[in-house]
Amino acid sequence: AQTVTQSQPEMSVQEAETVTLSCTYDTSESDYYLFWYKQPPSRQMILVIRQEAYKQQNATENRFSVNFQKAAKSFSLKISDSQLGDAAMYFCAYYYTDKLIFGTGTRLQVFP
Amino acid sequence: ETGVTQTPRHLVMGMTNKKSLKCEQHLGHNAMYWYKQSAKKPLELMFVYNFKEQTENNSVPSRFSPECPNSSHLFLHLHTLQPEDSALYLCASSPQTASTEAFFGQGTRLTVV
Repeated sequence: AQTVTQSQPEMSVQEAETVTLSCTYDTSESDYYLFWYKQPPSRQMILVIRQEAYKQQNATENRFSVNFQKAAKSFSLKISDSQLGDAAMYFCAYYYTDKLIFGTGTRLQVFP
Repeated sequence: ETGVTQTPRHLVMGMTNKKSLKCEQHLGHNAMYWYKQSAKKPLELMFVYNFKEQTENNSVPSRFSPECPNSSHLFLHLHTLQPEDSALYLCASSPQTASTEAFFGQGTRLTVV
């Protein structure tokens, strides 16, 4: 069965600094998708970044980038130049066929 | 707003009550999902509907009964719930599969007393 593990329940970062959130997953598939979703206090999950497993190049979206290590089944999220608005729960997710499987989340605090 | 609307936002119900959660999307998506979000646990996928057909039932107790009358609407009918069913219930939709992006509603915070 596919599982997603986020080993950091909470992280904190100073404004303008860089933080990295960890995620590992377990799968026997070779073609799948990985995501990072953000859940602010409004509770609405918002897509941050997406990575296709067949692509070797790491995805980047403005201040957000990933380090995708397929062999190690690792998918970390790097947030550069952190902003107060980045404070939220961040969920790593794995997608294959109809299933979008989430980790337990990492709560990110951003200090001014 | 992501285009996925859930009602009600909050619900308190007794263990003998029957209630329904509603999810609506007008994004033209064909896949809809119910998730349960409990504290310190991964989001649990409950049900998946694709083109109105249920394609996934993740061993959910029968006290949760989903209904998908059309591609735009998804319901979760609740009856004789237990206190441990208290959680945030999230609805999501995606174009056909969630391989591109799943759009989530703001959830219904359910408390069973």
